[in-house]
Amino acid sequence: GQQVMQIPQYQHVQEGEDFTTYCNSSTTLSNIQWYKQRPGGHPVFLIQLVKSGEVKKQKRLTFQFGEAKKNSSLHITATQTTDVGTYFCLPNNAGNMLTFGGGTRLMVKP
Amino acid sequence: GAGVSQSPSNKVTEKGKDVELRCDPISGHTALYWYRQSLGQGLEFLIYFQGNSAPDKSGLPSDRFSAERTGGSVSTLTIQRTQQEDSAVYLCASGMDYNQPQHFGDGTRLSIL
Repeated sequence: GQQVMQIPQYQHVQEGEDFTTYCNSSTTLSNIQWYKQRPGGHPVFLIQLVKSGEVKKQKRLTFQFGEAKKNSSLHITATQTTDVGTYFCLPNNAGNMLTFGGGTRLMVKP
Repeated sequence: GAGVSQSPSNKVTEKGKDVELRCDPISGHTALYWYRQSLGQGLEFLIYFQGNSAPDKSGLPSDRFSAERTGGSVSTLTIQRTQQEDSAVYLCASGMDYNQPQHFGDGTRLSIL
């Protein structure tokens, strides 16, 4: 079955520092989605990556999909306190039970 | 437009009682998912409905858990003979199709005394 590892589990950064979370799958994916969950809130869809080597940007957020379509990363440049929350990846592959990554909890010190 | 609606938002009940949680998905969304999230933890997949197909129940933790989706729209998650370890936030999400972005409701916070 599909195995998903998301690292790190936690990350404390000083406001203004960069942040990266990684999602690694044991199998080739059809696509991967990223979600953000603010404290006390529900997950909110950020982006979907489909193509090998794809890079997408949303303001200070940069999303990458690996060439082999097994790995992905979310990078935040110059973090702000509004970036606080837990970031989840959802690797998708037809026929497999949906398994979110364990999430990376980002804490930002002002 | 209306998002995914879940009710009740909070439910407190005694151990051993049955509970029903409701989810109203976004109109036109054929995919509907239930997840469980314990405090500070990740998203645990429970069950997935797609159109009129048989649901994927592979994530249900025990036979005390069941779910149905009537008319391809509203879904109900039922937990029988609740246990304290069932305490968690139960999240529902819907999507245009499998593998498409999921839109989550605010969840039902279930507390078993």
